[in-house]
Amino acid sequence: KNEVEQSPQNLTAQEGEFITINCSYSVGISALHWLQQHPGGGIVSLFMLSSGKKKHGRLIATINIQEKHSSLHITASHPRDSAVYICAVRSSSNTGKLIFGQGTTLQVKP
Amino acid sequence: EAGVTQSPTHLIKTRGQQATLRCSPISGHTSVYWYQQALGLGLQFLLWYDEGEERNRGNFPPRFSGRQFPNYSSELNVNALELEDSALYLCASSWGLAGDNEQFFGPGTRLTVL
Repeated sequence: KNEVEQSPQNLTAQEGEFITINCSYSVGISALHWLQQHPGGGIVSLFMLSSGKKKHGRLIATINIQEKHSSLHITASHPRDSAVYICAVRSSSNTGKLIFGQGTTLQVKP
Repeated sequence: EAGVTQSPTHLIKTRGQQATLRCSPISGHTSVYWYQQALGLGLQFLLWYDEGEERNRGNFPPRFSGRQFPNYSSELNVNALELEDSALYLCASSWGLAGDNEQFFGPGTRLTVL
């Protein structure tokens, strides 16, 4: 079993829909990252969080440390949101490395 | 402020050759991380450098090595290339040794081994 599991693996939505991507992890962590990867490979860091909730524009990320679960929400989705969304955790053993989920491929149709 | 830069963008090599990939971190960042994204395998941690020292490495053979220079830029070297080394190699940087700080990613180098 992977240490970081994301669901769903693939997601197709219509423009304007509310989208939720989930991430569960099995290790102790010091931080959790949500990353966005567009075709061509470039990765953008969306959020880094260790507790609670963060919001940036139409994106919201939450984390429940006790339940070892995080969610990424996209409100009023748009075709330009189409990308791979990756959850990554940093273990609390402070090894510096990130452990990645397998990614969720999102396609938003106009 | 300039982001993380990587060179080259694409690299084509043949089996057995050596590849050298380069990364320049964001100004002020002392940590550089290398990741491999092979097709179908997702992102995997390769190496972490900070202040010129290797701090941690992932489960990769010794053919994968690197270094960090005094200006904090970094090189990743892959010796005796194998077909399965074909992947996107991403570099990220952050400030501080704590390892908890946000990482900023470069655009990647796509290595193709023929």
